Amino acid sequence: GQQLNQSPQSMFIQEGEDVSMNCTSSSIFNTWLWYKQDPGEGPVLLIALYKAGELTSNGRLTAQFGITRKDSFLNISASIPSDVGIYFCAVHNNNDMRFGAGTRLTVKP
Amino acid sequence: DTGVSQNPRHKITKRGQNVTFRCDPISEHNRLYWYRQTLGQGPEFLTYFQNEAQLEKSRLLSDRFSAERPKGSFSTLEIQRTEQGDSAMYLCASSRDTGNTIYFGEGSWLTVV
Repeated sequence: GQQLNQSPQSMFIQEGEDVSMNCTSSSIFNTWLWYKQDPGEGPVLLIALYKAGELTSNGRLTAQFGITRKDSFLNISASIPSDVGIYFCAVHNNNDMRFGAGTRLTVKP
Repeated sequence: DTGVSQNPRHKITKRGQNVTFRCDPISEHNRLYWYRQTLGQGPEFLTYFQNEAQLEKSRLLSDRFSAERPKGSFSTLEIQRTEQGDSAMYLCASSRDTGNTIYFGEGSWLTVV
């Protein structure tokens, strides 16, 4: 089963708004990853975080690896319609990689 | 395109038939992973290979599931005697080595009727 708690499960926002989602785990992990998945496609990597406390940006996306190594957040600024999709957090320790249940984002034009 | 490649993208099969999916990883990646994803859930880890060695297979869903990577390049995932509950998307991913970022293919959709 999932050890990651990802929230919120879904979000409905207006184009131009900022979005924040987060993920917490019951265990410490050395790598946190954020993926986006469009319907019928595989997950696409957005941001990878390797160091506790690390804050990384990729365009309008910003993600942080929590200092306790048990949580991470993803922010999307100035959302646009193509941001629609499901966002997954994932954690990685050596041979173990697990995913959250996803946050479904809907952006209204 | 040098990403992870999976085929077929879609497969409809009758219950009880065997199906096989193929994955071609990114060429310089040593590690290859198989995941299963059902609607509304995140990907669920099944198995992985380091080169041709299958290092973890305890999470394969049943003994009807098997995977191979005979030459350390492409891999196949076979499901024998398919059941309706096997309907899902099967994702392949690859990475350079442990601790490195994992890249996914586009997935193979299986529908068992």
